[in-house]
Amino acid sequence: GAVVSQHPSWVICKSGTSVKIECRSLDFQATTMFWYRQFPKKSLMLMATSNEGSKATYEQGVEKDKFLINHASLTLSTLTVTSAHPEDSSFYICSAQAYTQYFGPGTRLTVL
Amino acid sequence: EDKVVQSPLSLVVHEGDTVTLNCSYEVTNFRSLLWYKQEKKAPTFLFMLTSSGIEKKSGRLSSILDKKELFSILNITATQTGDSAVYLCAVGVLTGANNLFFGTGTRLTVIP
Repeated sequence: GAVVSQHPSWVICKSGTSVKIECRSLDFQATTMFWYRQFPKKSLMLMATSNEGSKATYEQGVEKDKFLINHASLTLSTLTVTSAHPEDSSFYICSAQAYTQYFGPGTRLTVL
Repeated sequence: EDKVVQSPLSLVVHEGDTVTLNCSYEVTNFRSLLWYKQEKKAPTFLFMLTSSGIEKKSGRLSSILDKKELFSILNITATQTGDSAVYLCAVGVLTGANNLFFGTGTRLTVIP
């Protein structure tokens, strides 16, 4: 079956540093990938839609200069949290679109 | 390998019907099972289940978990066209990252 991986699973960083999260579709190609952030009470917020070879489409309220998304190939999208602050600490989930959306296992970011 | 399987993949029913969606899992260090409804953008959180045999209910939706048999069901009674969506099951595991493993979803279509 279709598998989506994320790397790293968990990252702890200091405030002001940048962190890159990778999302890979392991056995299929995905023209479109999505990035979500999980909030308390388990709700998921769509941050952006990532299209291979073009600029990502960001949802209202999401700073594109803060959350840099690159979708350089049909199997890889990256999310870079630039100049991370403690309020960016969260669980970030990606998904890749095929017949349906296949979700990655998430990356927990803790900013000290 | 952690795995979450949902069935059926797709379901078409008439308004007023009752449906049961299934989610089975094989994970190490089970923490919780979550149900989401995805219509357009981000999945909407429905339920989180951690204990066996305790039904969670919200209006026409209910869900129960069986930790011995490793599955959960989501019931929707008196379905309405607004229930048409993809229903996602996700299992949280007890890792440092508290990863979530998603099933591929069940696409429910309710026709008038």
